[in-house]
Amino acid sequence: KAGVTQTPRYLIKTRGQQVTLSCSPISGHRSVSWYQQTPGQGLQFLFEYFSETQRNKGNFPGRFSGRQFSNSRSEMNVSTLELGDSALYLCASSLAAGEDYNSPLHFGNGTRLTVT
Amino acid sequence: AQSVTQLDSQVPVFEEAPVELRCNYSSSVSVYLFWYVQYPNQGLQLLLKYLSGSTLVESINGFEAEFNKSQTSFHLRKPSVHISDTAEYFCAVSLTSGGYNKLIFGAGTRLAVHP
Repeated sequence: KAGVTQTPRYLIKTRGQQVTLSCSPISGHRSVSWYQQTPGQGLQFLFEYFSETQRNKGNFPGRFSGRQFSNSRSEMNVSTLELGDSALYLCASSLAAGEDYNSPLHFGNGTRLTVT
Repeated sequence: AQSVTQLDSQVPVFEEAPVELRCNYSSSVSVYLFWYVQYPNQGLQLLLKYLSGSTLVESINGFEAEFNKSQTSFHLRKPSVHISDTAEYFCAVSLTSGGYNKLIFGAGTRLAVHP
């Protein structure tokens, strides 16, 4: 079974631009979560989608947005990029909504975004 | 609000020696507890989790962690480490209701196993 796939693997953008990251969950997984990993702030939760609806949201500005499609694939968008947005963005999928306690999060290898 | 403190940012250890990676959490409500491992240039992999029941949980590769409610700790241990265990380890918590997939992570502990 294929794992969580994130594209692209690496991305370089300029301040002020916008970027879209893509995540394909494991087949059959309906929940997709996004995390930002930086050396200074560590791993921080961005948001979670389930059945095309945002279920949870972290403390990030509105420049960070996401969506989920009917096939459970998810995209994350960051507008008006800032230098501080440089990070590894991790996507994770799980089988069901949060009540399935035996359904762990499976992480992708991430997209490394560099903002110059 | 919940928070996770990993007391050591780096832990050097020799191969075949025992190791303990410490994790303390703070929460006013009940939480689930997790340990994840991250190898270079990769995402996170679940090592083990505590949801309920026995306070001692084990992974398939020899790690174990014990949930201590009174000390709000979830320390990770391995009696004999291998070079391949070199990685960064993250302790995390999530709410038991309405936020299972919203993990709050500690800052991580970099385990370096030396021959």
